[in-house]
Amino acid sequence: QKEVEQDPGPLSVPEGAIVSLNCTYSNSAFQYFMWYRQYSRKGPELLMYTYSSGNKEDGRFTAQVDKSSKYISLFIRDSQPSDSATYLCAMTFSGNTPLVFGKGTRLSVIA
Amino acid sequence: DVKVTQSSRYLVKRTGEKVFLECVQDMDHENMFWYRQDPGLGLRLIYFSYDVKMKEKGDIPEGYSVSREKKERFSLILESASTNQTSMYLCASTPPSGRVDTGELFFGEGSRLTVL
Repeated sequence: QKEVEQDPGPLSVPEGAIVSLNCTYSNSAFQYFMWYRQYSRKGPELLMYTYSSGNKEDGRFTAQVDKSSKYISLFIRDSQPSDSATYLCAMTFSGNTPLVFGKGTRLSVIA
Repeated sequence: DVKVTQSSRYLVKRTGEKVFLECVQDMDHENMFWYRQDPGLGLRLIYFSYDVKMKEKGDIPEGYSVSREKKERFSLILESASTNQTSMYLCASTPPSGRVDTGELFFGEGSRLTVL
């Protein structure tokens, strides 16, 4: 079993839709959870960060962590064509430990 | 703003050539990483370094080596390039956990290497 599982998509939605992106993981020691966004031909950039369980909201983006189910989610409300990118989940045990990444989900938002 | 600069965006090399990929960060970060990214395989960690002259193997170090002579510079070396090393290579840096405990990585733009 892979440490972090993420559906690679591709996922295609109409503009304005609510998007749900998910990752599952196997190691209960993970404490820091992140979502990165990667535009075509660019490096990934941090989108959302959550420590332990709970929700975090930033504008149209909400990150959720359910440690009991080993499941994290990223919700995008009112999706825009500019949200078209690959979204990578990542997690780690501590701030000084290399991140473990999911394979990424490619999202296309159609105008 | 943190800037991680990879010197070459696109390279084409021949099998057996020695390849250097350079990465420089300007934010005094202790920790630096090299990943490769391939379709269907995601990001895979090659090597990382927590300090000058220190290096640690990641998940796929075979066929690669690294050099960290200065804090701001982390180089990835392919001693004898092979076609299966054709990939996107991403360098990243992060402060040590004493300053930021998120482990957030700051990535460069990537170096797309093609080995013929």
